[in-house]
Amino acid sequence: EAGVVQSPRYKIIEKKQPVAFWCNPISGHNTLYWYLQNLGQGPELLIRYENEEAVDDSQLPKDRFSAERLKGVDSTLKIQPAELGDSAVYLCASSLGTSGRADTQYFGPGTRLTVL
Amino acid sequence: ILNVEQSPQSLHVQEGDSTNFTCSFPSSNFYALHWYRWETAKSPEALFVMTLNGDEKKKGRISATLNTKEGYSYLYIKGSQPEDSATYLCAFIQGGSEKLVFGKGTKLTVNP
Repeated sequence: EAGVVQSPRYKIIEKKQPVAFWCNPISGHNTLYWYLQNLGQGPELLIRYENEEAVDDSQLPKDRFSAERLKGVDSTLKIQPAELGDSAVYLCASSLGTSGRADTQYFGPGTRLTVL
Repeated sequence: ILNVEQSPQSLHVQEGDSTNFTCSFPSSNFYALHWYRWETAKSPEALFVMTLNGDEKKKGRISATLNTKEGYSYLYIKGSQPEDSATYLCAFIQGGSEKLVFGKGTKLTVNP
């Protein structure tokens, strides 16, 4: 079974440029998560989707960040414009969505963003 | 603000040593605790989901215990191997919340 796929793995951009990250969850997983991990910190949830609906986006900085999950499968996270402080690892995860909050979340390898 | 603490922050052991680390979380309104292993340049890998006080889970040489009344979980690795080198993350879910709150992790290095 293929795991969660993310691309690109690494991205270097200049500040004020836009950037987008893509995630393809495990087939059949209804719930998709985007996390942000700053250096030395644990991952923090940005947004959670149940199928195509964003059910928790309270931590997403909506002035510059946007996300979509068309057709309830793969998802894109965008930052426009990027700031120096956005340098971090962006992780995508998915879960079946059948056990609620005790569901195991399966993570992709992440995208490491560097903003210069 | 929920506080999930992991200790130690980093740990160096010799191959063959057994080791353990701690995850501390709020003892009130517990729902579940997750453990993950994250090797450099790889995806975080789920180890355990623990939901009941007194739970003990085991996967090969790795095991975990849970005490929800006092708000801690221990992760044990028996006979550490170099391939166990990774950051071990715990994540807590409080009752009434859908959100995993992660600790900062314990970085384990096993020297051959």
